[in-house]
Amino acid sequence: QVQLVQSGAEVKKPGSSVKVSCKASGGTFSSYTVSWVRQAPGQGLEWMGRIMPILGTANYALKFQGRVTITADESTSTVYMELSSLKSDDTAVYYCARGGLRGYWYFDLWGRGTLVNVSS
Amino acid sequence: QSALTQPPSASGSPGQSVTISCTGTSSDVGGYDFVSWYQQHPGKAPRLIIYEVNKRPSGVPDRFSGSKSGNTASLTVSGLQAEDEADYYCCSYAGTSNVFGTGTKVTVL
Repeated sequence: QVQLVQSGAEVKKPGSSVKVSCKASGGTFSSYTVSWVRQAPGQGLEWMGRIMPILGTANYALKFQGRVTITADESTSTVYMELSSLKSDDTAVYYCARGGLRGYWYFDLWGRGTLVNVSS
Repeated sequence: QSALTQPPSASGSPGQSVTISCTGTSSDVGGYDFVSWYQQHPGKAPRLIIYEVNKRPSGVPDRFSGSKSGNTASLTVSGLQAEDEADYYCCSYAGTSNVFGTGTKVTVL
């Protein structure tokens, strides 16, 4: 069955950008959506945005608009999340999560997460 | 979009039930029957346990149930087991976005 395989941990300087990938292994994203959710150390989950790879259309949480870009490459079944102007409080585990069969309002499959550490 | 409000902690003995609330507004929880719940063990990715208020994905025990009244959704775990000790998060659709709850740590005494 499909698994979401994320890229490895990153260490970034404040002010730089990071690009994290999420590949559908063993299948494709088909007409599902893919969201990005982050979790700062010891904190809760925070939805950042979503994309429907087959259409390429993305929606972003107000908090991240202008700083996050979610793209998709259908040919490789990979979704990317790029976060710019990094600050120390962007240090978090970033998860990709597939929207459910019935719609994008729930997430039925998750990647294992990518740790992004922002430190000078 | 503010996070949905959950109690920080809940607990129960094995075999007992525990209920977690998730309070939002008419723009999220109260406006749509699109509330989902996730279980997260330490160091692991979240796992979907309830979607669309009260639907369980295949493989999720029927000890987990969900409901909603007005702007508040609830998750009940019946017949608590040791492996139910975890963090639980609600999530609601909110127009074009999704919003998560603040999370509840469930302890099995």
